Amino acid sequence: SAVISQKPSRDICQRGTSLTIQCQVDSQVTMMFWYRQQPGQSLTLIATANQGSEATYESGFVIDKFPISRPNLTFSTLTVSNMSPEDSSIYLCSVDPFGQGETQYFGPGTRLLVL
Amino acid sequence: QKEVEQNSGPLSVPEGAIASLNCTYSDRVSQSFFWYRQYSGKSPELIMSIYSNGDKEDGRFTAQLNKASQYVSLLIRDSQPSDSATYLCADRTGGGNKLTFGTGTQLKVEL
Repeated sequence: SAVISQKPSRDICQRGTSLTIQCQVDSQVTMMFWYRQQPGQSLTLIATANQGSEATYESGFVIDKFPISRPNLTFSTLTVSNMSPEDSSIYLCSVDPFGQGETQYFGPGTRLLVL
Repeated sequence: QKEVEQNSGPLSVPEGAIASLNCTYSDRVSQSFFWYRQYSGKSPELIMSIYSNGDKEDGRFTAQLNKASQYVSLLIRDSQPSDSATYLCADRTGGGNKLTFGTGTQLKVEL
C-alpha cells in the first residue's frame, strides 16, 4: 500500500476565503482522487486528478470552486474557493497504485470548518 | 444515477458472534466490489475486495457476492470490540476508473 499524507490536518476558516489542501504520496501513482465526506455521510467523489491535464470533475463539482493541481505523480492539491459554511467537511485524497481506480488507499483527511 | 445502498444501522452484535453486513447495488455492469472500514475520526481502509460470484475469505472476514441479485455482503466471525466501526461498501462504477460508495453501516460489538 502507499503512504499518504495530507496538509493541513484541520483548519478553521472564514467565509469567503480559500484553502489549499496538499496530498503527498511516497511513491509514484497513476490515479489520485479527491473526496468529500460531510458529517455523518459517506464519501462523495469530487474529481479525479490527472497528471499533466485538467482534473475530471463529477456532477455537482466545478473547477472554479474546487481547482485541482497535479504537477507530478506523487503530489496533488485541492483548493476550496470562496468558502461558505456548507463547505465544512472532511476532504480526503486517495490513490490507486495499480491504475484502475479500484484499490484505493486514503490519506488521513483534512477537517475543515468554515465559520 | 448508479447507487450503492446500505442499512445505516447501528448493527449491534455481542462479542464472539457473527456480524453480517449487507449492500445492494444498482449498476448491473459493476464487476468489482469493495469493503472499507472507517473508525470514527479516521479515514477509510480497504479490508476486502471481491470480483466473482461466491465467497472470498480472509481471516475472520468473508465477502459474498451474488451478481444475479445484485448484492454483496461481509461476514465478520468472532466479532471483537475492535471491529466496532462504520463499514462502507463500494463498487467500481460502470466499469470505469472510480468507486461509488454506500452510506455505510455502523457496527457495534458489545462486551
